[in-house]
Amino acid sequence: DQQVKQNSPSLSVQEGRISILNCDYTNSMFDYFLWYKKYPAEGPTFLISISSIKDKNEDGRFTVFLNKSAKHLSLHIVPSQPGDSAVYFCAASAGAGNKLTFGGGTRVLVKP
Amino acid sequence: ETGVTQTPRHLVMGMTNKKSLKCEQHLGHNAMYWYKQSAKKPLELMFVYSLEERVENNSVPSRFSPECPNSSHLFLHLHTLQPEDSALYLCASSQDVTTRGVTDTQYFGPGTRLTVL
Repeated sequence: DQQVKQNSPSLSVQEGRISILNCDYTNSMFDYFLWYKKYPAEGPTFLISISSIKDKNEDGRFTVFLNKSAKHLSLHIVPSQPGDSAVYFCAASAGAGNKLTFGGGTRVLVKP
Repeated sequence: ETGVTQTPRHLVMGMTNKKSLKCEQHLGHNAMYWYKQSAKKPLELMFVYSLEERVENNSVPSRFSPECPNSSHLFLHLHTLQPEDSALYLCASSQDVTTRGVTDTQYFGPGTRLTVL
């Protein structure tokens, strides 16, 4: 049973527009959340994270929102650029352990 | 350029072969990880090493045997694998397992694409 789910396997967006990626989780013990980006033939690259004590974290064009009551987080990319085309994974961890539980990924295509 | 390298990048092996995957991190980290990504499945944690000691083993079959001789190197020894073990095997490292109770960011290598015939 997947504890972290990304229900949209793919997303297509026009360059300059906003990309919104969603992630849902079921384990209420998760208290730290991360987004990774993966290009073909490369390993995942850390993008942005958020602790459960916050509901928003922003880094340049990337913003992650956390809704603990809904057990939902989202990643906003604005404006989207063609170089953002990649697979995005959300991940979560619980407590002091460092075991990351990953979602299945969302493939983003940014069209010029 | 990634600070985590993996060799080989691609490996094809028969079910009776013995092979090893190698991971090296150049980041001065103390923790290293093996993950498996099968087709259409999320990344799954296999092993965690902290300061060369195994701290997590996610019920991985014994045909996968990890080895961490020092904090910079991690191996995954493979023996009598099954076709369903074909997957992308990713190595990662982090400064520590956690710092002040917060999960440390993990940095991934490019992975080894393994095919078991």
